[in-house]
Amino acid sequence: AQTVTQSQPEMSVQEAETVTLSCTYDTSESDYYLFWYKQPPSRQMILVIRQEAYKQQNATENRFSVNFQKAAKSFSLKISDSQLGDAAMYFCASSPEGAQKLVFGQGTRLTINP
Amino acid sequence: EAGVTQFPSHSVIEKGQTVTLRCDPISGHDNLYWYRRVMGKEIKFLLHFVKESKQDESGMPNNRFLAERTGGTYSTLKVQPAELEDSGVYFCASSQVQPGFGGELFFGEGSRLTVL
Repeated sequence: AQTVTQSQPEMSVQEAETVTLSCTYDTSESDYYLFWYKQPPSRQMILVIRQEAYKQQNATENRFSVNFQKAAKSFSLKISDSQLGDAAMYFCASSPEGAQKLVFGQGTRLTINP
Repeated sequence: EAGVTQFPSHSVIEKGQTVTLRCDPISGHDNLYWYRRVMGKEIKFLLHFVKESKQDESGMPNNRFLAERTGGTYSTLKVQPAELEDSGVYFCASSQVQPGFGGELFFGEGSRLTVL
């Protein structure tokens, strides 16, 4: 079974700075998908970025990028030029290829300091 | 386009009572999922519907939980009788493509259940 671990329950960063959220996972699958979701306070959880494990190139979405290290089973999220609206709970998740469900980590609460 | 809606947003009940949570997915999304987050821990999968059929209910804790999806549209999750450990936030999500094919899940805001 897949497991996902987020070792940072809370993180904080100054506005306009860069922050990296950590995520490690364990799987015996050869192919899978990795995701970062964010849940702003009192709002719906939304997809931030996704990565296909067989693609070596790191995914990027505007100010959000990942550092995918397949051998180390690490999938960290980097947020550049942090903005107040980035404050949220961030969840790392994985899904084996063809699977019906996501396996989530425990979440990291990110605070942006003005 | 309306997103995923869940009702109620918060429910407080006594141990032994019954609660029914409702989820309205995004129109046209065949896949509907229920997840639960208990006491700040990880979000855990409960079950998955494709249209009206249960595809995977391996995450359902026990037979006190019953999920249905009438006509492949909205879904309900009933807890009867509720126990203290059932407290948590219940998330519903829907998608066109399953996550194992890289699909994005669209989540509701969650229904917070408190069992006293």
